[in-house]
Amino acid sequence: EPEVTQTPSHQVTQMGQEVILRCVPISNHLYFYWYRQILGQKVEFLVSFYNNEISEKSEIFDDQFSVERPDGSNFTLKIRSTKLEDSAMYFCASSEAVRGTGELFFGEGSRLTVL
Amino acid sequence: GESVGLHLPTLSVQEGDNSIINCAYSNSASDYFIWYKQESGKGPQFIIDIRSNMDKRQGQRVTVLLNKTVKHLSLQIAATQPGDSAVYFCAEKGSGGYNKLIFGAGTRLAVHP
Repeated sequence: EPEVTQTPSHQVTQMGQEVILRCVPISNHLYFYWYRQILGQKVEFLVSFYNNEISEKSEIFDDQFSVERPDGSNFTLKIRSTKLEDSAMYFCASSEAVRGTGELFFGEGSRLTVL
Repeated sequence: GESVGLHLPTLSVQEGDNSIINCAYSNSASDYFIWYKQESGKGPQFIIDIRSNMDKRQGQRVTVLLNKTVKHLSLQIAATQPGDSAVYFCAEKGSGGYNKLIFGAGTRLAVHP
C-alpha cells in the first residue's frame, strides 16, 4: 500500500538553528500539506502546496517557515531559526484530489525537539 | 470563527461494547467531515468521511452520523476491540480551500478486556 514517508523520525536541535524536515508524498498525489501537533494537543494545519506554490497557509506559518518541492519527489519544510515553541510533531500529508473526498494520507511524523 | 471540538476527552469501554464518540462543529459552511484515528507515535489514519448532503454513512464496524441542525458529528464503533484503542479526531473542511482540515481536540478511546 502506498504511503507517505517522513525523515527524520526525531530531530533534536538548539534554539536558533535551522531545521529541514523531509517528506516523500504518495507518487501520484498532487496536493501536499504540513500539519503539526504539539504534545497532547490537536493537529493544526500549517500549509498546503499545489503546482509548485503555496495554496494556503495558516497564521502559524510565518516568515520562519518555508516549503519546497526541490526534485519532484521530496517535499520539505524548513524552519529558519527554531524557537522552543516549535517543538512538536510535524506531519506531512498528501492527497490525490482536493475536490470530492480528497482524502489526506498522513505520514508517521517527524518529532522536533528544540532545546 | 471556526472551531471543532469534542465533548468527551476520554472514553473507556469494555471489549465487545459499542462506542460512540461525539464532536461539535461551529462552521455551518463546512461541507465535508472526516474521522481520524491516531495510535501512539503514529500519524492520523483516515477512518470514514461524510459530506454535508448526507446524514449517515457506514463503513466496516463504523458509522458516522451528521446532524447539521445542531452541528454535531458522531462516530459509532460496533463491537469495540482492543485494537480500536487510540485517540480519535474529527476534522472539518470548509467549502473552499485546499483540504485545510480543522481538527478537533481528540477523544482517547480505551478498550478494556
